[in-house]
Amino acid sequence: ELKVEQNPLFLSMQEGKNYTIYCNYSTTSDRLYWYRQDPGKSLESLFVLLSNGAVKQEGRLMASLDTKARLSTLHITAAVHDLSATYFCAVAINQFYFGTGTSLTVIP
Amino acid sequence: GAVVSQHPSRVICKSGTSVKIECRSLDFQATTMFWYRQFPKQSLMLMATSNEGSKATYEQGVEKDKFLINHASLTLSTLTVTSAHPEDSSFYICSAPRAGRSMNTEAFFGQGTRLTVV
Repeated sequence: ELKVEQNPLFLSMQEGKNYTIYCNYSTTSDRLYWYRQDPGKSLESLFVLLSNGAVKQEGRLMASLDTKARLSTLHITAAVHDLSATYFCAVAINQFYFGTGTSLTVIP
Repeated sequence: GAVVSQHPSRVICKSGTSVKIECRSLDFQATTMFWYRQFPKQSLMLMATSNEGSKATYEQGVEKDKFLINHASLTLSTLTVTSAHPEDSSFYICSAPRAGRSMNTEAFFGQGTRLTVV
């Protein structure tokens, strides 16, 4: 059974600080996705990573993929309150397998 | 703009009644759609895969007679919760994958449906 684990599950960080969310998965895949979910809302696509070594950046968020280590990271730079949300990674193999989610709270 | 539209966004129904949720791909054809259920503060749980022109594939533990899925066309899949009970109250999300360039397949998600059974 494919497992997708995120670390940490809960993250409270101060504005202006940096932090990294980790996504580990248990089988080979070269497609890794990151999504954001606000309370009561559906998922918003953030990044699609398609190859080993892929790195993508959008604003204060940067995602990377290491397929050999079966690891993806989502790095937050100089956090702001608007980034408070739950972040999910997902691995695609015939279907999408979602990670456990990381609930991020950015405090002033 | 949204490429997958899900309706309704919220519904309250009485126990014992049935509720239909629609999921439409707006500007592409989706031979496959996925239906997820999400409990508060948890991840998405795949319920079933909807296949256009054939029967849906249900995940283990999901009652196919209770959660009826119909994929009537290349742009529409419906999930009907039959004889709803309070424990069926949840957030239901549909998803449709769209193949792009360079084999880049991305999943687009509907807005979700908050079902409350009273």
